[in-house]
Amino acid sequence: KAGVTQTPRYLIKTRGQQVTLSCSPISGHRSVSWYQQTPGQGLQFLFEYFSETQRNKGNFPGRFSGRQFSNSRSEMNVSTLELGDSALYLCASSQTFGDRQVLGTFGSGTRLTVV
Amino acid sequence: GDSVTQMEGPVTLSEEAFLTINCTYTATGYPSLFWYVQYPGEGLQLLLKATKADDKGSNKGFEATYRKETTSFHLEKGSVQVSDSAVYFCALSAGQAGTALIFGKGTTLSVSS
Repeated sequence: KAGVTQTPRYLIKTRGQQVTLSCSPISGHRSVSWYQQTPGQGLQFLFEYFSETQRNKGNFPGRFSGRQFSNSRSEMNVSTLELGDSALYLCASSQTFGDRQVLGTFGSGTRLTVV
Repeated sequence: GDSVTQMEGPVTLSEEAFLTINCTYTATGYPSLFWYVQYPGEGLQLLLKATKADDKGSNKGFEATYRKETTSFHLEKGSVQVSDSAVYFCALSAGQAGTALIFGKGTTLSVSS
């Protein structure tokens, strides 16, 4: 069973640019969550998508957005990049049964460097 | 809001030493508790979990017991190996669909031979 695939693994962007990261969940998993990991703030929740709908959102500015496609693949977009957006971005895919969520699996992450 | 506090690192041990990494939490209701491990350059791997009070999670020689009375979930291993060197994260989840994992800051473990 293939794991969670995140692409690209590494990315270097310039301040002011925008970036799109991709996450392909485990087959059959319909929930995808995104997290940002930085040395200063640690791991912080960005948002979660299920069946193409955002169900939950963390405390990040509107420059951070996401979407999910009908095949459950998800993308997150960061516009007008700032130096502080440099981070490891992790996604996790999960199964949901009714109102309960079964813990998912994390991908290896995308390392974004903003210069 | 819900939060997780874990001991600051780094923790430096010799091979075969006993390991304890403390983790306490604040949460409403009855969250599930987790320990994740992150090796250099990699994502997060679930190490163990416990979903209700007094549950003991265990994996690869690591153990942690969900203590509701002390709101703790301390990670222990009787004899660490060099290959256990990594960053360890304690986390909680309310469990409802769509809810986020809330992580501690992480503890770096370095084991020398």
